[in-house]
Amino acid sequence: DTAVSQTPKYLVTQMGNDKSIKCEQNLGHDTMYWYKQDSKKFLKIMFSYNNKELIINETVPNRFSPKSPDKAHLNLHINSLELGDSAVYFCASSPPEEGNSPLHFGNGTRLTVT
Amino acid sequence: DQQVKQNSPSLSVQEGRISILNCDYTNSMFDYFLWYKKYPAEGPTFLISISSIKDKNEDGRFTVFLNKSAKHLSLHIVPSQPGDSAVYFCAARWTGSNYKLTFGKGTLLTVNP
Repeated sequence: DTAVSQTPKYLVTQMGNDKSIKCEQNLGHDTMYWYKQDSKKFLKIMFSYNNKELIINETVPNRFSPKSPDKAHLNLHINSLELGDSAVYFCASSPPEEGNSPLHFGNGTRLTVT
Repeated sequence: DQQVKQNSPSLSVQEGRISILNCDYTNSMFDYFLWYKKYPAEGPTFLISISSIKDKNEDGRFTVFLNKSAKHLSLHIVPSQPGDSAVYFCAARWTGSNYKLTFGKGTLLTVNP
């Protein structure tokens, strides 16, 4: 029973296209995140939502727009895709801070822009 | 601006021996540290954590040590098993950062049978 699930797992598309990645968690967590792992292998936070409210928005191009229809879902929409957007995107969730609970990650979406 | 550094990209140990993975950080505001383990084509999974008020935390074969004065932490795995072969990420955050985790680049551990 997957706790944090992302779809699709692989996404190959051409420059200039618009694409979305979906994320759902069934853990009942209040906070969800998008992280990006680039070619240098760094995992960097992009966005964080708490109960559908945006709380972290790192320096990310405006072409990236997260949407949280409810606290169990956080989707990522990317407009006008560029070659540099190629990366693995991870969704994660965490409960309210009780003893510093760790993040639970999905299995990632490998985006390849050609 | 790498606030969390894992300077060893890879480590190879024999089964049954100790694995020691190291992590350094520069931000003195960090007050909570975590280790994540990642297999290929999967997301990182939480392994063990430590608060800055402690210098050691143990969970089975895994022990994390924190040296605040040196801004250094390490993960010890004893005894190492082939199933431990994975990429290990060190991560840190500070209270009030809205749970924002800063990750290191990871260390690939290979445990040879």
